[in-house]
Amino acid sequence: NAGVTQTPKFRVLKTGQSMTLLCAQDMNHEYMYWYRQDPGMGLRLIHYSVGEGTTAKGEVPDGYNVSRLKKQNFLLGLESAAPSQTSVYFCASRHQQGLAGGQETQYFGPGTRLLVL
Amino acid sequence: RKEVEQDPGPFNVPEGATVAFNCTYSNSASQSFFWYRQDCRKEPKLLMSVYSSGNEDGRFTAQLNRASQYISLLIRDSKLSDSATYLCVVTSSTSGTYKYIFGTGTRLKVLA
Repeated sequence: NAGVTQTPKFRVLKTGQSMTLLCAQDMNHEYMYWYRQDPGMGLRLIHYSVGEGTTAKGEVPDGYNVSRLKKQNFLLGLESAAPSQTSVYFCASRHQQGLAGGQETQYFGPGTRLLVL
Repeated sequence: RKEVEQDPGPFNVPEGATVAFNCTYSNSASQSFFWYRQDCRKEPKLLMSVYSSGNEDGRFTAQLNRASQYISLLIRDSKLSDSATYLCVVTSSTSGTYKYIFGTGTRLKVLA
């Protein structure tokens, strides 16, 4: 199993350009997440999905859109990139329910480093 | 007040030392607790879940204190390879949706 994979690994954009980050998981997980990580700040949730065809806003959704057309894929789009979106983006996934009813841990992809000039 | 707070460190310790980190959380209804490890420029990876009764995995021991709303991580006999940032993660439920809240991390450097 590859686990959670992300493409691309690194990208440089100019202000105003658009791009899509792809996240794929082969663990049949129901839940998928997009986070951004900035220096001095914890991981912040951008959007998430609880199943195929569903998406919901997280803590910092402005400037981003997402789609979950297939269970294994979760796409994050930037329609018009801004320098404030320079960050490291992590995708994560998990099963709906953990053992003994507890919350299942999240598994992370390797990240995408985005620089917006 | 942040929902999850950690001392950013760095904690510089010699090999073989014992080191402990604390993490405080503000929501008394928080349900699940985890410690993740993140190496420089890498993704976070689960180190261990934290159970109410406390749990141990080799050199690592995690404790939960619900009354005081903190979790702790103890590392015994530190190795150079333990150098990393340790993230505290707390979950809570809002309208049936579970949120995973990440601390900013505590940086550990184990020195030879």
